[in-house]
Amino acid sequence: QSALTQPRSVSGSPGQSVTISCTGTSSDVGGYNYVSWYQQHPGKAPKLMIYDVSKRPSGVPDRFSGSKSGNTASLTISGLQTEDESDYYCCSYAGSYSFEVFGTGTKVTVL
Amino acid sequence: QVQLQESGPGLVKPSQTLSLTCTVSGGSISSGDYYWSWIRQPPGMGLEWIAYIYYSGNTYYNPSLKSRVTISLDTSKNQFSLKLSSVTAADTGVYYCATRGYRYVRFDPWGQGTLVTVSS
Repeated sequence: QSALTQPRSVSGSPGQSVTISCTGTSSDVGGYNYVSWYQQHPGKAPKLMIYDVSKRPSGVPDRFSGSKSGNTASLTISGLQTEDESDYYCCSYAGSYSFEVFGTGTKVTVL
Repeated sequence: QVQLQESGPGLVKPSQTLSLTCTVSGGSISSGDYYWSWIRQPPGMGLEWIAYIYYSGNTYYNPSLKSRVTISLDTSKNQFSLKLSSVTAADTGVYYCATRGYRYVRFDPWGQGTLVTVSS
């Protein structure tokens, strides 16, 4: 099972919006509405930001939103803030053989 | 709220077996609410799911690691463990334990992670 494909980096100025893509196949992203997103600051454990494609856990700002179309999921950060500068990983359920697969990771830079 | 803490040797020799334990507090490992999971991250690289186990003892492994991995529960200590055999330098990284929801497909919460280096 290959890792899901994410852009290595995206950037934006404070207040702007950025979108991170997460491309898989019909066996993972496209086959299930079980995509989650994680934020990871350097030296820290990942933090859940989005699950079930578009649901936000309590405490996650509504600036973070998720969506999916076909085999590609997306995370959008609206109204970018300096504290959003971090690495972001997607993850998808991949069925009863591969189970879980993570994305390659994207570094978000706030200019 | 469930909290997780990894423990184990920080240095393992090549060809030996890596052994880690995750201690669970704030909840019971016998709860049917979670799959108890291990995830790793090589230095400067991305996350890789390794395995998870349900309270019933059912185990689920990453196919690429399955031949070398064993995950188990110790309900008496409220812990779960990971063993990875025949390690090489490629197994160096931070190892996290985490809960993966049974009803909700998400990894949350996570332990703080523990760095394991494979070197002679």
